[in-house]
Amino acid sequence: AQTVTQSQPEMSVQEAETVTLSCTYDTSESDYYLFWYKQPPSRQMILVIRQEAYKQQNATENRFSVNFQKAAKSFSLKISDSQLGDAAMYFCAYSPGTYKYIFGTGTRLKVLA
Amino acid sequence: KAGVTQTPRYLIKTRGQQVTLSCSPISGHRSVSWYQQTPGQGLQFLFEYFSETQRNKGNFPGRFSGRQFSNSRSEMNVSTLELGDSALYLCASSRTAGRDEKLFFGSGTQLSVL
Repeated sequence: AQTVTQSQPEMSVQEAETVTLSCTYDTSESDYYLFWYKQPPSRQMILVIRQEAYKQQNATENRFSVNFQKAAKSFSLKISDSQLGDAAMYFCAYSPGTYKYIFGTGTRLKVLA
Repeated sequence: KAGVTQTPRYLIKTRGQQVTLSCSPISGHRSVSWYQQTPGQGLQFLFEYFSETQRNKGNFPGRFSGRQFSNSRSEMNVSTLELGDSALYLCASSRTAGRDEKLFFGSGTQLSVL
Protein backbone atom coordinates (compact mmCIF):
# COMPACT_ATOMS: atom_id res chain seq x y z
CA ALA A 1 0.00 0.00 0.00
CA GLN A 2 1.14 3.52 -0.72
CA THR A 3 1.34 5.44 2.54
CA VAL A 4 2.92 8.62 3.89
CA THR A 5 3.91 8.89 7.54
CA GLN A 6 4.69 12.02 9.52
CA SER A 7 5.68 10.88 12.99
CA GLN A 8 5.91 14.35 14.58
CA PRO A 9 2.42 15.73 15.32
CA GLU A 10 3.93 18.97 16.64
CA MET A 11 7.31 20.72 16.58
CA SER A 12 8.58 23.99 18.02
CA VAL A 13 11.47 26.15 16.87
CA GLN A 14 12.95 29.40 18.09
CA GLU A 15 12.80 32.29 15.65
CA ALA A 16 15.92 32.41 13.41
CA GLU A 17 16.80 28.78 14.25
CA THR A 18 16.62 25.72 11.99
CA VAL A 19 14.06 22.94 12.22
CA THR A 20 13.64 19.65 10.35
CA LEU A 21 10.28 17.97 9.77
CA SER A 22 10.31 14.24 9.05
CA CYS A 23 8.40 12.25 6.46
CA THR A 24 8.62 8.66 5.32
CA TYR A 25 6.63 6.96 2.60
CA ASP A 26 6.04 3.55 1.22
CA THR A 27 5.78 2.72 -2.46
CA SER A 28 6.91 0.14 -4.96
CA GLU A 29 7.04 2.71 -7.74
CA SER A 30 10.33 4.09 -9.04
CA ASP A 31 9.06 7.27 -10.65
CA TYR A 32 7.04 9.65 -8.54
CA TYR A 33 7.01 13.10 -7.02
CA LEU A 34 7.10 14.24 -3.42
CA PHE A 35 5.81 17.53 -2.06
CA TRP A 36 5.66 19.58 1.09
CA TYR A 37 2.59 21.77 1.53
CA LYS A 38 2.01 24.41 4.18
CA GLN A 39 -1.43 25.13 5.65
CA PRO A 40 -1.60 28.41 7.58
CA PRO A 41 -4.59 29.34 9.78
CA SER A 42 -6.35 30.63 6.65
CA ARG A 43 -6.66 26.90 5.75
CA GLN A 44 -5.42 27.43 2.17
CA MET A 45 -2.70 24.90 1.38
CA ILE A 46 0.38 26.33 -0.35
CA LEU A 47 3.15 24.38 -2.08
CA VAL A 48 6.48 24.78 -0.30
CA ILE A 49 8.77 22.51 -2.29
CA ARG A 50 8.68 19.64 -4.80
CA GLN A 51 11.11 16.77 -5.50
CA GLU A 52 11.24 14.33 -8.40
CA ALA A 53 12.28 10.84 -7.36
CA TYR A 54 14.68 10.49 -10.29
CA LYS A 55 16.65 13.56 -9.31
CA GLN A 56 19.36 12.82 -6.77
CA GLN A 57 19.95 16.47 -6.05
CA ASN A 58 17.91 17.73 -3.12
CA ALA A 59 15.44 20.50 -3.97
CA THR A 60 15.81 23.92 -2.38
CA GLU A 61 13.56 26.97 -2.34
CA ASN A 62 15.10 29.90 -0.48
CA ARG A 63 15.06 28.97 3.24
CA PHE A 64 13.42 25.60 2.56
CA SER A 65 15.33 22.50 1.53
CA VAL A 66 14.75 18.77 1.56
CA ASN A 67 16.83 15.75 2.43
CA PHE A 68 15.63 13.08 0.00
CA GLN A 69 16.81 9.56 0.70
CA LYS A 70 15.19 7.37 -1.96
CA ALA A 71 16.46 4.02 -0.71
CA ALA A 72 15.28 4.79 2.81
CA LYS A 73 12.04 6.33 1.46
CA SER A 74 12.61 9.41 3.55
CA PHE A 75 11.79 13.00 2.61
CA SER A 76 12.46 15.53 5.36
CA LEU A 77 11.97 19.29 5.16
CA LYS A 78 14.52 21.69 6.63
CA ILE A 79 13.50 25.26 7.38
CA SER A 80 16.42 27.60 8.00
CA ASP A 81 16.25 30.99 9.71
CA SER A 82 12.70 30.27 10.92
CA GLN A 83 10.28 33.17 10.86
CA LEU A 84 7.01 33.76 12.69
CA GLY A 85 5.19 33.42 9.37
CA ASP A 86 6.42 29.85 9.05
CA ALA A 87 4.04 28.76 11.82
CA ALA A 88 1.53 26.42 10.18
CA MET A 89 0.59 22.80 9.56
CA TYR A 90 3.00 21.11 7.17
CA PHE A 91 1.90 18.15 5.07
CA CYS A 92 4.14 15.77 3.21
CA ALA A 93 2.55 14.33 0.05
CA TYR A 94 3.34 11.68 -2.53
CA SER A 95 2.08 11.68 -6.11
CA PRO A 96 2.14 8.31 -7.84
CA GLY A 97 0.60 9.70 -10.99
CA THR A 98 -2.94 8.39 -10.66
CA TYR A 99 -4.55 11.82 -10.45
CA LYS A 100 -4.38 11.87 -6.67
CA TYR A 101 -2.02 12.79 -3.90
CA ILE A 102 -1.43 10.76 -0.76
CA PHE A 103 -0.91 13.00 2.24
CA GLY A 104 0.58 12.43 5.65
CA THR A 105 -1.23 13.40 8.83
CA GLY A 106 0.67 16.68 9.17
CA THR A 107 3.08 18.34 11.58
CA ARG A 108 2.08 21.51 13.40
CA LEU A 109 5.04 23.88 13.55
CA LYS A 110 5.16 26.55 16.23
CA VAL A 111 7.68 29.37 15.96
CA LEU A 112 8.67 30.96 19.25
CA ALA A 113 9.65 34.63 19.37
CA LYS B 1 -5.96 35.64 -11.61
CA ALA B 2 -8.62 34.49 -9.15
CA GLY B 3 -7.75 31.52 -6.97
CA VAL B 4 -9.79 28.43 -6.19
CA THR B 5 -13.11 29.44 -4.67
CA GLN B 6 -15.08 27.19 -2.37
CA THR B 7 -18.56 27.92 -1.07
CA PRO B 8 -19.84 28.00 1.54
CA ARG B 9 -16.98 28.43 4.03
CA TYR B 10 -18.96 27.02 6.92
CA LEU B 11 -21.94 24.71 7.05
CA ILE B 12 -23.90 23.19 9.91
CA LYS B 13 -26.19 20.24 9.21
CA THR B 14 -27.95 17.55 11.22
CA ARG B 15 -27.64 13.81 10.84
CA GLY B 16 -29.59 12.40 7.93
CA GLN B 17 -29.55 15.58 5.88
CA GLN B 18 -27.67 15.99 2.65
CA VAL B 19 -25.25 18.71 1.64
CA THR B 20 -23.75 20.11 -1.56
CA LEU B 21 -20.40 21.86 -1.65
CA SER B 22 -19.17 23.95 -4.56
CA CYS B 23 -15.74 24.58 -6.03
CA SER B 24 -14.70 26.97 -8.80
CA PRO B 25 -11.18 26.21 -10.08
CA ILE B 26 -8.60 28.63 -11.38
CA SER B 27 -9.39 29.74 -14.90
CA GLY B 28 -7.87 27.32 -17.40
CA HIS B 29 -7.60 24.45 -14.91
CA ARG B 30 -9.54 21.41 -16.03
CA SER B 31 -8.78 19.07 -13.13
CA VAL B 32 -10.59 19.38 -9.82
CA SER B 33 -9.97 17.05 -6.89
CA TRP B 34 -11.59 16.85 -3.48
CA TYR B 35 -10.07 15.93 -0.12
CA GLN B 36 -11.50 15.41 3.33
CA GLN B 37 -9.35 16.76 6.17
CA THR B 38 -9.87 15.63 9.77
CA PRO B 39 -7.60 16.09 12.81
CA GLY B 40 -5.19 13.20 13.09
CA GLN B 41 -6.14 11.74 9.70
CA GLY B 42 -4.61 14.32 7.42
CA LEU B 43 -6.11 14.67 3.97
CA GLN B 44 -7.99 11.78 2.46
CA PHE B 45 -8.60 11.71 -1.28
CA LEU B 46 -12.27 11.68 -2.30
CA PHE B 47 -12.28 11.95 -6.11
CA GLU B 48 -10.82 13.73 -9.11
CA TYR B 49 -12.56 15.08 -12.19
CA PHE B 50 -11.17 16.14 -15.54
CA SER B 51 -13.33 17.46 -18.35
CA GLU B 52 -16.49 16.23 -16.60
CA THR B 53 -15.12 12.69 -16.17
CA GLN B 54 -14.25 11.09 -12.86
CA ARG B 55 -10.78 9.60 -13.27
CA ASN B 56 -10.11 8.36 -9.76
CA LYS B 57 -12.07 7.78 -6.60
CA GLY B 58 -10.97 7.30 -3.02
CA ASN B 59 -12.18 4.78 -0.50
CA PHE B 60 -15.34 6.51 0.65
CA PRO B 61 -18.91 5.17 0.81
CA GLY B 62 -21.36 5.79 -2.00
CA ARG B 63 -22.97 8.59 0.03
CA PHE B 64 -20.13 10.76 -1.25
CA SER B 65 -20.52 11.78 -4.86
CA GLY B 66 -19.38 14.54 -7.14
CA ARG B 67 -19.64 15.98 -10.57
CA GLN B 68 -17.95 18.48 -12.80
CA PHE B 69 -19.59 20.88 -15.21
CA SER B 70 -18.47 21.96 -18.66
CA ASN B 71 -16.97 25.16 -17.21
CA SER B 72 -14.82 22.97 -14.88
CA ARG B 73 -16.72 24.01 -11.77
CA SER B 74 -17.31 21.06 -9.48
CA GLU B 75 -19.73 20.06 -6.77
CA MET B 76 -19.60 17.32 -4.22
CA ASN B 77 -22.61 15.91 -2.45
CA VAL B 78 -22.89 13.97 0.76
CA SER B 79 -26.21 12.29 1.42
CA THR B 80 -27.56 10.92 4.70
CA LEU B 81 -25.00 12.79 6.76
CA GLU B 82 -23.35 11.07 9.71
CA LEU B 83 -21.54 12.61 12.68
CA GLY B 84 -18.26 11.28 11.30
CA ASP B 85 -18.65 13.36 8.15
CA SER B 86 -17.75 16.48 10.14
CA ALA B 87 -14.55 17.69 8.51
CA LEU B 88 -12.89 20.33 6.40
CA TYR B 89 -13.50 19.60 2.72
CA LEU B 90 -10.81 20.94 0.45
CA CYS B 91 -10.97 21.37 -3.27
CA ALA B 92 -7.84 21.61 -5.42
CA SER B 93 -7.38 22.45 -9.07
CA SER B 94 -4.59 21.97 -11.59
CA ARG B 95 -4.23 21.96 -15.34
CA THR B 96 -4.16 18.20 -15.81
CA ALA B 97 -3.41 16.57 -12.40
CA GLY B 98 -0.13 15.25 -13.74
CA ARG B 99 2.12 13.66 -11.15
CA ASP B 100 4.52 16.62 -11.17
CA GLU B 101 1.85 19.26 -11.03
CA LYS B 102 1.32 21.67 -8.20
CA LEU B 103 -2.16 21.65 -6.73
CA PHE B 104 -3.89 24.94 -6.02
CA PHE B 105 -6.20 24.66 -3.04
CA GLY B 106 -9.24 26.59 -1.93
CA SER B 107 -9.81 27.60 1.69
CA GLY B 108 -12.20 24.74 2.22
CA THR B 109 -15.71 24.23 3.53
CA GLN B 110 -15.91 23.40 7.23
CA LEU B 111 -18.83 21.00 7.66
CA SER B 112 -20.24 20.31 11.09
CA VAL B 113 -22.81 17.54 11.48
CA LEU B 114 -24.87 17.69 14.69
